[in-house]
Amino acid sequence: DAMVIQNPRYQVTQFGKPVTLSCSQTLNHNVMYWYQQKSSQAPKLLFHYYDKDFNNEADTPDNFQSRRPNTSFCFLDIRSPGLGDAAMYLCATSGRGLAGINNEQFFGPGTRLTVL
Amino acid sequence: QQQVKQSPQSLIVQKGGISIINCAYENTAFDYFPWYQQFPGKGPALLIAIRPDVSEKKEGRFTISFNKSAKQFSLHIMDSQPGDSATYFCAASKSIGSARQLTFGSGTQLTVLP
Repeated sequence: DAMVIQNPRYQVTQFGKPVTLSCSQTLNHNVMYWYQQKSSQAPKLLFHYYDKDFNNEADTPDNFQSRRPNTSFCFLDIRSPGLGDAAMYLCATSGRGLAGINNEQFFGPGTRLTVL
Repeated sequence: QQQVKQSPQSLIVQKGGISIINCAYENTAFDYFPWYQQFPGKGPALLIAIRPDVSEKKEGRFTISFNKSAKQFSLHIMDSQPGDSATYFCAASKSIGSARQLTFGSGTQLTVLP
């Protein structure tokens, strides 16, 4: 089945220790998004890739970086995690339709990050 | 600035009842309004969506009502079932360059009692 896969599902890191979260997709979608969702809050967009073009949200901290080596994979790097970065990180994708990029975003199951 | 306001924060209904969740938006650049359902430990899944040129859309037990002039939209779940217990997010979408940006409401935790 075509899908969005996130690994690992649970990640524990120490304060200040760099961590990388992974997302892969079999949908061949042009756009990949990363969201941060804190407990009992709505998902918040961090950044997105349109193909290889990286687009950062204005309020995304510099501590968060991303890489997209190919269409299928996208990584979220947190350079120096703080306690406030503990959250669920969601990857989503959307593809191109007749009128441009489709509205629907397909979400992965998320990676829950714990910072000790 | 919260661009999409959602209420109520939590909702408890009896099995077979009607669940109603309301949202309001501010930015007229939004042109697509989806509702997402999220179960604990899972990513959000698209439930139903509407464009602003339509006042109502129904899919099974789920209906979106849309009021463009008031900049409000709502989700109605008819014959609510315990399996509908989840968090529901309204969202509003607009173009950002070549991609689309989703702005979510704050979520409604729905509990359907058996």
